[in-house]
Amino acid sequence: AQKITQTQPGMFVQEKEAVTLDCTYDTSDQSYGLFWYKQPSSGEMIFLIYQGSYDEQNATEGRYSLNFQKARKSANLVISASQLGDSAMYFCAMRETTDSWGKFQFGAGTQVVVTP
Amino acid sequence: NAGVTQTPKFQVLKTGQSMTLQCAQDMNHNSMYWYRQDPGMGLRLIYYSASEGTTDKGEVPNGYNVSRLNKREFSLRLESAAPSQTSVYFCASSDYRESTFGSGTRLTVV
Repeated sequence: AQKITQTQPGMFVQEKEAVTLDCTYDTSDQSYGLFWYKQPSSGEMIFLIYQGSYDEQNATEGRYSLNFQKARKSANLVISASQLGDSAMYFCAMRETTDSWGKFQFGAGTQVVVTP
Repeated sequence: NAGVTQTPKFQVLKTGQSMTLQCAQDMNHNSMYWYRQDPGMGLRLIYYSASEGTTDKGEVPNGYNVSRLNKREFSLRLESAAPSQTSVYFCASSDYRESTFGSGTRLTVV
């Protein structure tokens, strides 16, 4: 069963605007971690931000923040003040303790295009 | 620079040939992973190693084997390459709160 769902296959956003990328997850674990990655057209996978299930505050890393709503099982990525270099594919992923903190489950990704 | 190093970056194999993809990390992470990414798709887990000395199958392990040589190194072997294994392969390492990917190996099987 799909554990990570990213419902937006693609988005256009204007430069300097904020954009929210949706991610919902399914788990029965109480302890888990959520990750966001960026994959530009060059192909590398870049780690952006992490949110632990017991973290009381939403994670932030520069222009990236994670809107974590545990009861709704959502972990949306917010990119503030979009830049042309933010154009990329974005993946949400989860790691669960039932896998001994082993394998990640990835969503299908959201393609973001930032326009001038 | 600290990170995950994959070799080679590109490889072309003939059907039936074997090869090993190498991965080494100096992040001092316990967990390591091998993924494949097919065009326009997300990542699919081939094998992972939650800690030194352990390996487990992921979603698509058929046709592959792995070795966790030590804490730093995790190799992926294709024993008899098939065209269906044409893909980009990523190695990654992780600890509790962070994760780092290698730059990928673009493999073509003809």
